[in-house]
Amino acid sequence: QSALTQPASVSGSPGQSITISCTGSSSDVGGYNYVSWYQQHPGKAPKLMIYDVSDRPSGVSNRFSGSKSDNTASLTISGLQAEDEADYYCSSYTSGSTLVFGGGTKLTVL
Amino acid sequence: EVQLVQSGGGLVQPGGSLRLSCAASGFPFSNYAMSWVRQAPGKGLEWVSVVTRGGSTLYADSVEGRFTISRDNSENTVYLQLNSLRAEDTAVYYCAKERNPYTTAVRRCDFWGQGTLVTVSS
Repeated sequence: QSALTQPASVSGSPGQSITISCTGSSSDVGGYNYVSWYQQHPGKAPKLMIYDVSDRPSGVSNRFSGSKSDNTASLTISGLQAEDEADYYCSSYTSGSTLVFGGGTKLTVL
Repeated sequence: EVQLVQSGGGLVQPGGSLRLSCAASGFPFSNYAMSWVRQAPGKGLEWVSVVTRGGSTLYADSVEGRFTISRDNSENTVYLQLNSLRAEDTAVYYCAKERNPYTTAVRRCDFWGQGTLVTVSS
């Protein structure tokens, strides 16, 4: 199972919005509504931010939103804040009943 | 409060073995699938294995035949036995809990352990 494709880096200024894409195939992203997004700060465990394409766990800011079109999922962060600076990973359930992650995107808040 | 506390890990020679443990609390452990995910130094996340509530297991191709996941519902603990270790297995290993109960697979991980470093080197 090949890793999902994410941009290596994105950046934005405080208050702006950014979008991170996550491209897979019909065997993962396109085939199931089981895309998740994780935030990871340096030296910390990942934190679930979005699950099932667009649902937010309790306690996650509504500045984080998710969507999907065909084989590409997207994470949008609005009203960027300094604490949003982190690595972001997408994941998807696959036709093999496994989980596949994206390569990760480093978000820099300018 | 959900807690996943990991133990095990350390330095091991190529070809060696190691067992990782993940003790869970704060939720009905036996109702949830549990996974292991690893992260090589400076690299991204890689899913490794899952054990369902019923004990069914799946593995990434990269570890199939070398790693074994298991669970002890009486001890609320999930294990990962790592055999025939290679340099490329060097990583921080995380245990993670599936968000929804009674699922037959892992689809989204809502809580993660603190991670434990496995270093494979001579």
